[in-house]
Amino acid sequence: DQQVKQNSPSLSVQEGRISILNCDYTNSMFDYFLWYKKYPAEGPTFLISISSIKDKNEDGRFTVFLNKSAKHLSLHIVPSQPGDSAVYFCAASFDRGSTLGRLYFGRGTQLTVWP
Amino acid sequence: GAVVSQHPSRVICKSGTSVKIECRSLDFQATTMFWYRQFPKQSLMLMATSNEGSKATYEQGVEKDKFLINHASLTLSTLTVTSAHPEDSSFYICSASVRGRKRYTFGSGTRLTVV
Repeated sequence: DQQVKQNSPSLSVQEGRISILNCDYTNSMFDYFLWYKKYPAEGPTFLISISSIKDKNEDGRFTVFLNKSAKHLSLHIVPSQPGDSAVYFCAASFDRGSTLGRLYFGRGTQLTVWP
Repeated sequence: GAVVSQHPSRVICKSGTSVKIECRSLDFQATTMFWYRQFPKQSLMLMATSNEGSKATYEQGVEKDKFLINHASLTLSTLTVTSAHPEDSSFYICSASVRGRKRYTFGSGTRLTVV
């Protein structure tokens, strides 16, 4: 049973425009969310995270929005760059103070940024 | 900081042989490491949680006798695929939790091909 869902397998965006990647989850007990970026044949790299006590977290061109009532989060990339082309995984977990529980991943969204 | 080194990056082996994959935390101590498997265009599926000095905890459906995990030190966890079959061909990735940081760091992955 997939507790974290990324319903769009792919997204294509022109360079300079906004990329919006969406993620839904079913377990209301999740209270920490992360986005990872993955290139082919490489491991995922951490991008940005958000705690359930917040509804927005921003880091440079990347902003994550969390809507707890809808069990939905989104990653905004502005402006999009060709180097952002990769698979983006949404992950959810349980906040244990100084650490997290295990990660539950979505299936990923392939972002392609074209010039 | 918080680098996880995974070797080998790719390996081809014959059916029936065993393959060992190593995951090392280079600049931190990892009391807990995780092993994932990724099928093409699929999510990262957690196989097992490896705790230093104790037996690994396997996810439902993962054969513990086939996928042997050893976490003998705070910086090294190994996954051994025993009696490999072509259906074991996949991308295997390890990750480690960093104490005091709410994120997981991933290795670069191992592409296993069983012929």
